[in-house]
Parts: sequence; C-alpha cells; structure tokens
Amino acid sequence: EAAVTQSPRSKVAVTGGKVTLSCHQTNNHDYMYWYRQDTGHGLRLIHYSYVADSTEKGDIPDGYKASRPSQENFSLILELASLSQTAVYFCASRNWGTSYEQYFGPGTRLTVL
Amino acid sequence: GDKVKQSPSALSLQEGTNSALRCNFSIAATTVQWFLQNPRGSLINLFYLVPGTKENGRLKSAFDSKESYSTLHIRDAQLEDSGTYFCAADYNQGKLIFGQGTKLSIKP
Repeated sequence: EAAVTQSPRSKVAVTGGKVTLSCHQTNNHDYMYWYRQDTGHGLRLIHYSYVADSTEKGDIPDGYKASRPSQENFSLILELASLSQTAVYFCASRNWGTSYEQYFGPGTRLTVL
Repeated sequence: GDKVKQSPSALSLQEGTNSALRCNFSIAATTVQWFLQNPRGSLINLFYLVPGTKENGRLKSAFDSKESYSTLHIRDAQLEDSGTYFCAADYNQGKLIFGQGTKLSIKP
C-alpha cells in the first residue's frame, strides 16, 4: 500500500500571505493529486501531475499553483492566501496502468485569518 | 447539478443491523472508489471497483457502469463503522469526482 505523507498537518496563515503545502510519497507512483475538502463536503480536485516537472489543472485551480520537482514530491502553493481557501487539503498518489486506485495522505488543515 | 449523488446523506443504525448506501452518477464513470473518513479525518480505502462486485468481510460493493450507480452494503454494523462514507467516480485518467458523503452513526 502507498505511503503518502503531508506537511504541515495544520497551519494558520494570514490573508495575503504565501502558503506552501508539501506532499511526499514513497511508493514510486507516477500520478499525484491535490484535493480540497470543505466542511461537510466531498473532495474537489485542484491540480495533478503525471510526471516530474509537469503539472495539470484540475477542476478548481484558481488561486493555486502546483510544483512537482521530483517523482516523490508534490507541492501546492497559495501565493496570496484568502479566507475562502480555509479547508482541509489532501494529497493522493496512484500508479499508472495496473490500477487507478488512489491512496491519500492524512490531510493538512489550513486556516486563513 | 451534482455529478455524483450519494444517498442517504445521513443514517443512524443500531449495532448489528444492515444498511445500504448508494451513489448515482451523471458522468461516464469508468471506475469507482469507496472511502471511509474516520473521526480523525483520515480517508481509508474500502473498495476500488471496475464494473462488478467485491466483498471484504462485512462490506460488499457493486458498480454498474451501464446503469451509472454503485452501492455499498454494510452487514452486522459495528461501532467502529461510524464515520462518513464517500464514493468517488473516476471520469478521466484518474481524476476523481466525489459525492457529498453519507454520515453513518452506529448506536449500541
């Protein structure tokens, strides 16, 4: 089973500040994803990547950037954090070809004040 | 409208009883995943389904791509089954669309 870790596990940021959320996976998966979850709702896809040094927009990319410097690492960047970006952020990974099953990290709770 | 609709939105069961959760899709889902989000917020993988059925202990799930729905059956519910159940449809190269979740409470 894939091991996906996220850091930090929680963060308080100020409006207008820059926030970087990090994700690391140790199972050599090709694909990585960033989702956000708002209280009482399901997850929504922000960005994803299928190879290092390349990222793709998901369903709700506005206000977010992503970076995939290596196969193991995938970051989500909020250049100018806003109140509406308060949420829990989940990273996920999956392999290519054999199965599309995604494995999720423990989440990062972000509060923007 | 919602591309993945889960029902019911909430459910309360007595320990030892059975239940069925459902997801209806308005997109062409190729595979479906079911997750349990526990009270700590972690997402636990329950099932990954291509069209067909799978069973794991007291849990059984089915995915019918032609009729665009999936079900999750819980048999002999236990206290540790409490949490929020999510289905998610893969619609394009592993991009998942999640339902809104079913909050399940098990009472002793």
